[in-house]
Amino acid sequence: NAGVTQTPKFRILKIGQSMTLQCAQDMNHNYMYWYRQDPGMGLKLIYYSVGAGITDKGEVPNGYNVSRSTTEDFPLRLELAAPSQTSVYFCASSYPTGEVGSPLHFGNGTRLTVT
Amino acid sequence: GENVEQHPSTLSVQEGDSAVIKCTYSDSASNYFPWYKQELGKRPQLIIDIRSNVGEKKDQRIAVTLNKTAKHFSLHITETQPEDSAVYFCAASPTSGTYKYIFGTGTRLKVLA
Repeated sequence: NAGVTQTPKFRILKIGQSMTLQCAQDMNHNYMYWYRQDPGMGLKLIYYSVGAGITDKGEVPNGYNVSRSTTEDFPLRLELAAPSQTSVYFCASSYPTGEVGSPLHFGNGTRLTVT
Repeated sequence: GENVEQHPSTLSVQEGDSAVIKCTYSDSASNYFPWYKQELGKRPQLIIDIRSNVGEKKDQRIAVTLNKTAKHFSLHITETQPEDSAVYFCAASPTSGTYKYIFGTGTRLKVLA
């Protein structure tokens, strides 16, 4: 299994441009997440999904959109990029095991710079 | 909403000494508490986790303790080694079933040889 795959690894955007960060997992995990990590900071939840066709907002959803048309893919869309969106973006997935809580499996991240 | 506070933000220890990182959470309904290690430029990786029905869990040199009454949990690393140097994040799951984790702000651990 490749696990969680994110593309691209790096991207530079100009203010006002749009882009889609891709995330795919091959572990048949129901739950998928998008986090952002600003320099020296923790992880903030942007959006998450508990299954195909279902998405919900996290702590910092403004300026982003997501879709979940399949179990495997969970793209993150940035419309009208702003410098405040400069960050490292991590996609993650998890599988409800029946126990309380389930660990997150992270992708390698996308480093985005908006100038 | 749920808030997770993590202390200290940086921690330096001599090789072979112990390191302790503490987190406090606000939502008493939280019931799952994982710890992640993130090396420079890498993704976070789970190192240990604990559920609310357990007070302590150990895995070789790493242990986690949970005090539900006080709403805090701690990571203990014994016999630290240079490869333990990294940023450590705690997290709490605020609502059962959603796995909507809230992370602490991280602790940068430096193990000095």
